[in-house]
Amino acid sequence: GENVEQHPSTLSVQEGDSAVIKCTYSDSASNYFPWYKQELGKRPQLIIDIRSNVGEKKDQRIAVTLNKTAKHFSLHITETQPEDSAVYFCAAYTSGTYKYIFGTGTRLKVLA
Amino acid sequence: EAQVTQNPRYLITVTGKKLTVTCSQNMNHEYMSWYRQDPGLGLRQIYYSMNVEVTDKGDVPEGYKVSRKEKRNFPLILESPSPNQTSLYFCASSLNFGPNTEAFFGQGTRLTVV
Repeated sequence: GENVEQHPSTLSVQEGDSAVIKCTYSDSASNYFPWYKQELGKRPQLIIDIRSNVGEKKDQRIAVTLNKTAKHFSLHITETQPEDSAVYFCAAYTSGTYKYIFGTGTRLKVLA
Repeated sequence: EAQVTQNPRYLITVTGKKLTVTCSQNMNHEYMSWYRQDPGLGLRQIYYSMNVEVTDKGDVPEGYKVSRKEKRNFPLILESPSPNQTSLYFCASSLNFGPNTEAFFGQGTRLTVV
C-alpha cells in the first residue's frame, strides 16, 4: 500500500541554525502535501502545505520544496528558535482516496 | 470558537469493557476522521466519514467502530478493548476532503487498556 517515509526521526540543532526534514512518498498520483506541527501534549496543527503543481512555497521562516520526479518533499526551517521544538509530521494526499498518509514524525529539538 | 472537542482526555479501562470516545465539531465540516498515534508509527487513520451516514475504514480499523448520525458528532467505539489499543487518539475534521483542505484536530484522548 501507499506509504510515506520521514527522516530523520530526531533532529537537534543549535538556535539560529537551519533544520531540514525529508519525506518520500510512494504513490506517484499524490497531489497534496501538508506539514503538521505537534507541540508537546498538544494537537497537530497545519503549518504549511504544497500542491503537486508547485515546486516551492515559503511562509516567513518555513518553506517546503517538492520534487515530483524523485517523489520527495522537504520542510526547511531557517533561524530556528526554541519555540520551533516539536514533532513535525509530513503527509501525502491522493485525490479519490479520501485519506492522508502520514509520515512517522520528526522530533525537532532546538538547543538554546 | 471553532473547535474539535474530544472526551474524555484521559481514560484507563480494563480489557473487554466497552467504551466510547466522543468527538464533536462546531464548524459544519463534512469530513471527519479518527487517528491513533503510537511512538515510531506516526498518525494512522482508523476510520473516516465523508458525511452523515457515510463511513469507511482507514488503515487500522480492526477492533473499532464508528457512527455518523449527525454532522457534528463522530464517536469512536471500542466494543471489547485490548491492551494493544492503548494509544493516543485524535479526531479530526475538515470542511470537505481534497487538496488545500486543512484538517483540524481535537486535543487528543490518551487511552490505557489494562
